[in-house]
Order: sequence, then structure tokens, then C-alpha cells
Amino acid sequence: GAVVSQHPSWVICKSGTSVKIECRSLDFQATTMFWYRQFPKQSLMLMATSNEGSKATYEQGVEKDKFLINHASLTLSTLTVTSAHPEDSSFYICSARASGGSYEQYFGPGTRLTVT
Amino acid sequence: QQQVKQSPQSLIVQKGGIPIINCAYENTAFDYFPWYQQFPGKGPALLIAIRPDVSEKKEGRFTISFNKSAKQFSLHIMDSQPGDSATYFCAASFLSRLTFGEGTQLTVNP
Repeated sequence: GAVVSQHPSWVICKSGTSVKIECRSLDFQATTMFWYRQFPKQSLMLMATSNEGSKATYEQGVEKDKFLINHASLTLSTLTVTSAHPEDSSFYICSARASGGSYEQYFGPGTRLTVT
Repeated sequence: QQQVKQSPQSLIVQKGGIPIINCAYENTAFDYFPWYQQFPGKGPALLIAIRPDVSEKKEGRFTISFNKSAKQFSLHIMDSQPGDSATYFCAASFLSRLTFGEGTQLTVNP
């Protein structure tokens, strides 16, 4: 149980275009989902926290107008990278926390974004 | 302080050895301390986690030791195998927000 999927697993886009990444909790309901960014050989950095039906909370230094997050249902959150630039190329990973006060976060497999 | 300091950065052991990875934190409000394993190109997978009211937790070959007064915790991997070669991250949580350590790249030689 506790499976989180992401789509796509990798994407290449041209500079200036927008890319949407989906994160789904497959076998549980997730009131809270998180989006992380990971550069090569570095740690995970929390970008934002999203709760179903409400606006996302962004970490300091993360541009909310550039990284649009929508948590429309208890099983789906999306991250849209708008007007992507090469410096946005990274590994984006989502996680989901189950309803009911659980501490555990289950991570998706990640999405590799390359902006050319 | 939200930082979590992890050491060593890399670690090489022989098969059957017991690698130990250490983490230290400052924020006493952290209330959940998980360890994750990550293979290249994959998302992190939860290995084991501990709450601060417990000093040790064991699950299979993985053990967390937790020292609340020293604000330190560590991961021990018993009888390590080449398949354990991966990057390991400690983390600490406050209000559900995880702060990750820098990661330890573990190599287990056959």
C-alpha cells in the first residue's frame, strides 16, 4: 500500500514553455501533498505544501507565480512550471501524507525536467 | 534553526559490515525523524522512523538510535549487502514539513 505515482517520469521542453507534472496517491487519500526539488547529488528541498481544496504554502524563495500548485482532490496534486528556463531543469518529487494525522510521507518516483 | 546536519558524506564498507550514519539537529520542536533510501533516478523510500520519546527502534536490519539530549540520531545497517548501496537521507519534521540532511552515499563492496 501507500503508492504515489508521478507523470510524466521525464520531460524535455523548450525555454519559455510551461510544463505540468501530476502527482497521484493511488491507494490512499492524501489531505496534504508536498513538492520537492532535487539537483544532482544534492538533498531534497521542500518547495511547497498543498492541502486539498486550499491554496498552497510556498517555502521562502520559491516563486509562487512560477511554480503553480493545484491540489484539486484527495488523490491528485499538480505542479506547473510556467515559462520554464534552463535553470529550472531539475528532479521534481512529490510526496503525500495520508489523512488521519499520520506522520509518514510517501514519495513519488520523481519527474526529471530538462529545459532546453 | 531548521537545519539537519548529516555525516559522513560518503561511506564505503565491506559486505556484512555495519555502516553508521549520523544526523544532528537544532530545533527541539522537531517531532518525527525518518530515514529514507534513494537509488539514482528514483524517489526516496521510507526505511524507518522514530519519535523523540523513543531512544531506539529496530526494523529488520535497520536500527535508529536517538539521543534527545544531544539532539542527535543515527542509522545502523546490520549485515550490509551490495544491494544496500544507495544514498541515505535523514530528515526531521515539524508541522509535517520535512527538513532533509545532506545525504550519505553508501557503497557496500562484495
